[in-house]
Amino acid sequence: DTAVSQTPKYLVTQMGNDKSIKCEQNLGHDTMYWYKQDSKKFLKIMFSYNNKELIINETVPNRFSPKSPDKAHLNLHINSLELGDSAVYFCASSLGLAGGPEQFFGPGTRLTVL
Amino acid sequence: AQSVTQPDIHITVSEGASLELRCNYSYGATPYLFWYVQSPGQGLQLLLKYFSGDTLVQGIKGFEAEFKRSQSSFNLRKPSVHWSDAAEYFCAVGEGSNYKLTFGKGTLLTVNP
Repeated sequence: DTAVSQTPKYLVTQMGNDKSIKCEQNLGHDTMYWYKQDSKKFLKIMFSYNNKELIINETVPNRFSPKSPDKAHLNLHINSLELGDSAVYFCASSLGLAGGPEQFFGPGTRLTVL
Repeated sequence: AQSVTQPDIHITVSEGASLELRCNYSYGATPYLFWYVQSPGQGLQLLLKYFSGDTLVQGIKGFEAEFKRSQSSFNLRKPSVHWSDAAEYFCAVGEGSNYKLTFGKGTLLTVNP
């Protein structure tokens, strides 16, 4: 029983394409997050949703758009992919604003832009 | 803004030796502190956390960490390292009501047989 799952695990695409990464959690958590891990392993938060409402929106290009159809899902759509978007993207979830800050991470999606 | 510093980029220890990974944070209030471990090609696994109370916290896999407010530190320790502990270790601090995590740059642990 995977707690936080992401699809796909690997994504290889050409510059200029549009792609999406999907995330699902079965922990019953209210809050979900997207993080980017660059080639130097540095992790930085991008977005967070609490009960489908955007609560964290870091300085991220407008080409990145998160969508949360329900509180168990948080997807990340990327338009006009650039070489610099190559990274590992992690989804995470937590009990959120009422339940505490402990975050559980998915296995990551390695995006390679050629 | 909060920040996390992990001074050691890479540490090498022998199997069976003790381990201490350093973490210093900058945050105005009482922080939420975490240590995560990332094995190659894997996601992040929570080792332990500190929210309040006892400043020495126990985690999984035999790890412990001590919160020292006076030194703004949350160092991770293990008395005897196993080869399977080789991985990247991240310290993180949680901020505010949104619980945004700010991560350190990580410490790569290599374990020699």
